[in-house]
Amino acid sequence: DAMVIQNPRYQVTQFGKPVTLSCSQTLNHNVMYWYQQKSSQAPKLLFHYYDKDFNNEADTPDNFQSRRPNTSFCFLDIRSPGLGDAAMYLCATSRWTGGTDTQYFGPGTRLTVL
Amino acid sequence: AQSVAQPEDQVNVAEGNPLTVKCTYSVSGNPYLFWYVQYPNRGLQFLLKYITGDNLVKGSYGFEAEFNKSQTSFHLKKPSALVSDSALYFCAVRDRNNNNNDMRFGAGTRLTVKP
Repeated sequence: DAMVIQNPRYQVTQFGKPVTLSCSQTLNHNVMYWYQQKSSQAPKLLFHYYDKDFNNEADTPDNFQSRRPNTSFCFLDIRSPGLGDAAMYLCATSRWTGGTDTQYFGPGTRLTVL
Repeated sequence: AQSVAQPEDQVNVAEGNPLTVKCTYSVSGNPYLFWYVQYPNRGLQFLLKYITGDNLVKGSYGFEAEFNKSQTSFHLKKPSALVSDSALYFCAVRDRNNNNNDMRFGAGTRLTVKP
């Protein structure tokens, strides 16, 4: 089945220690998104890639970076995690950025910062 | 900018009873509207969307939603709730007239269906 996969499902890191979260997709979608979701709140868009074009949300901290080496994979890098970065991180994909298109989400990675 | 309000943090219903999860939206133009469901420790799962046409949209697992332009609402409904419907539900909106890809989510409504 075509799907969005996130690894690991649970990640523990130490305060200030860089961490990378991974997302892959078999849907062959052009767009990949990263959202941050804190305890039962609405997901907050951090950034997205349309193919190789990176689009950063204005209020996304510089501490958060992303890489998309190919169509299938996208990574979220947190350079110096703080306690406030503990959250669920959701990856999503869509075929294009048109308003009608559905976003398909992965299961998420829950990040704990000690 | 578009926004979504889910006025109820929590909805409790008995199994077999109809359920409604409310959503109202605000956009400068016409909306595209979505409902997603999130089970514990899982990602969001698409339920249904309104793009154009018939105001009543049918989706997965027996859910439906009605677009009401005059009331700027897109309430999620199901005629007969199941215990397995217990989850967190998110409404989301995009502005049809906005060329960016910004989809705004509501704060979520936790649905609990009791046996």
